[in-house]
Amino acid sequence: AIQMTQSPSSLSASVGDRVTITCRASQGIRNNLGWYQQKPGKAPKLLIYAASNLQSGVPSRFSGSGSGTDFTLTISSLQPEDFATYYCLQDYNYPLTFGGGTKVEIK
Amino acid sequence: EVQLKESGGGLVQPGGSLRLSCAASGFTVSGNYITWVRQAPDKGPEWVSIIYSDDSTYYADSVKGRFTISRDKAKNTVYLQMDSLRAEDTAVYYCASVYWTNGIWYIGALDVWGQGAMVTVSS
Repeated sequence: AIQMTQSPSSLSASVGDRVTITCRASQGIRNNLGWYQQKPGKAPKLLIYAASNLQSGVPSRFSGSGSGTDFTLTISSLQPEDFATYYCLQDYNYPLTFGGGTKVEIK
Repeated sequence: EVQLKESGGGLVQPGGSLRLSCAASGFTVSGNYITWVRQAPDKGPEWVSIIYSDDSTYYADSVKGRFTISRDKAKNTVYLQMDSLRAEDTAVYYCASVYWTNGIWYIGALDVWGQGAMVTVSS
């Protein structure tokens, strides 16, 4: 199975900060990657698909980039509602695999 | 409004069985790809299984041979039959639909999720 390694596992940031989260695949996965936001007690929410496509209704401060093995989720200006845990998910092949998560906390 | 709703969770002994249901509204499960994702307490999500519109199915290695995904078009519902349950299957189980646009299914883009069903495997 393809291993997805996210970094950092957690970070502290302030409102207005630019935040970058990285996901690395154990092998090339082209652009077969999505990003999700999850808040406590809720289902994950799709933010980005196919590495860089913003899902409808998601604020434009979220962006994704990368291809092959290295991918990035960027929040250009962190808002209070963005404090959550973020996960990547590869769909290059089965089994689909999630990254370990990045918890974004308030500084 | 497009919605998914899980049911059938509960407490079951190790070795037992449980069937989860995922009822859709606002769209038909027969024409869509539906997946199951689970999340153990204080852990990240884990992909479990998927059923395609042509009834093709795929499973995580951890559940292969024990879990079966199926669909009832008349009831507009997808099921996850879980047999030989183990303590490590304890989790919230979510069903989710796969995003489709411009003729392409984005398998890893799960755009509509249910609220989740808790499954606890314990004696």
